[in-house]
Amino acid sequence: AQSVTQLDSQVPVFEEAPVELRCNYSSSVSVYLFWYVQYPNQGLQLLLKYLSGSTLVKSINGFEAEFNKSQTSFHLRKPSVHISDTAEYFCAVSVKSGGSNYKLTFGKGTLLTVNP
Amino acid sequence: NAGVMQNPRHLVRRRGQEARLRCSPMKGHSHVYWYRQLPEEGLKFMVYLQKENIIDESGMPKERFSAEFPKEGPSILRIQQVVRGDSAAYFCASSPTSSGGTDTQYFGPGTRLTVL
Repeated sequence: AQSVTQLDSQVPVFEEAPVELRCNYSSSVSVYLFWYVQYPNQGLQLLLKYLSGSTLVKSINGFEAEFNKSQTSFHLRKPSVHISDTAEYFCAVSVKSGGSNYKLTFGKGTLLTVNP
Repeated sequence: NAGVMQNPRHLVRRRGQEARLRCSPMKGHSHVYWYRQLPEEGLKFMVYLQKENIIDESGMPKERFSAEFPKEGPSILRIQQVVRGDSAAYFCASSPTSSGGTDTQYFGPGTRLTVL
């Protein structure tokens, strides 16, 4: 079975500061990795994902995450945050092989609050 | 293109009543997934359905819970004789195909069930 740990339940930062949201996973098999974002009163939206290839993946709004196999991590970073980035962020994994690779396993989420 | 719709957004039931949660997938999507988020927990997979078929219900509690995705109409998650432990946020997601973990799942805003 897989598990996902998001080490910080809440991360407050000031506008234009850098931020890192941490995600570690545990799995005995290879996995796909995802970050989802949930804005207030909305559904979860896919922010970025790692499937294969380059270990650094980027989103269209300036976030990036790097897959580190040795440390089993997929931390999310942004060099300069905006007020509009305030949201809850979820890290998730699914197994690469086998018949149930549609099952997403999520962390508990990290609430990012960007203050002016 | 409307996103995944869920209703009601909030549902209050007394112990022993039935709860019916509805999910309309995105247009053109024939794969539906239900997840549950208990307080202080991450989202957990419950069931995966295609039109008129339950593909994987390994995450569903053995009793009182059922799901369907009829040929016409929304997917329904039904909880009979609710108990306080059923209080949670229930999220529905949909995808156009099921190409393993590479296929993005699009989430609805969730239904927050409170059992009194």
